[in-house]
Amino acid sequence: GNSVTQMEGPVTLSEEAFLTINCTYTATGYPSLFWYVQYPGEGLQLLLKATKADDKGSNKGFEATYRKETTSFHLEKGSVQVSDSAVYFCALSKKTSYDKVIFGPGTSLSVIP
Amino acid sequence: DAGVTQSPTHLIKTRGQQVTLRCSPKSGHDTVSWYQQALGQGPQFIFQYYEEEERQRGNFPDRFSGHQFPNYSSELNVNALLLGDSALYLCASSVPGENYEQYFGPGTRLTVT
Repeated sequence: GNSVTQMEGPVTLSEEAFLTINCTYTATGYPSLFWYVQYPGEGLQLLLKATKADDKGSNKGFEATYRKETTSFHLEKGSVQVSDSAVYFCALSKKTSYDKVIFGPGTSLSVIP
Repeated sequence: DAGVTQSPTHLIKTRGQQVTLRCSPKSGHDTVSWYQQALGQGPQFIFQYYEEEERQRGNFPDRFSGHQFPNYSSELNVNALLLGDSALYLCASSVPGENYEQYFGPGTRLTVT
């Protein structure tokens, strides 16, 4: 079945450090890929997305590239801030009319000053 | 433009009781999906409603049921509550095929004691 695997946390970084959160997926066909972010006590916000191979999604300094050959969608940011502290979820959605989202387990990020 | 709204924000129930959670989709969206997010885990798909019918269902027992109204708003009902039903319940709305993106509400935190 379809699934998403992401690196285990928690991840703790100093402010201005480089961030990578690894994500790989298993799916038939070519799903759409997403990164969602959940700040403490809040719901989910879409951070970025990519709908086809080699697409790069970007938002708020975060980037991720859809790599079909390695079935990966790693999240990166060049310089993290304290305000980036949150839980990050990698997710996929098959391109059907029944577009449920399948989530990874989440990676908790803490950025310290 | 209001996004997805959910009510109530928090809820405390006792084992064996029944609960109803409510969701209003983003303006222009006709599809509503419900997810359960247990503490420290990624959201799990419960079911999806479109045109007032359940279109797809995840691996949840029949104690979980729902309804969609003509104005596209939706309810999630859980009967015979168990301690394990304690979670954040997220509602998401979408337009089928529109970039396969779902917009999430802030969630309802259900605690079963």
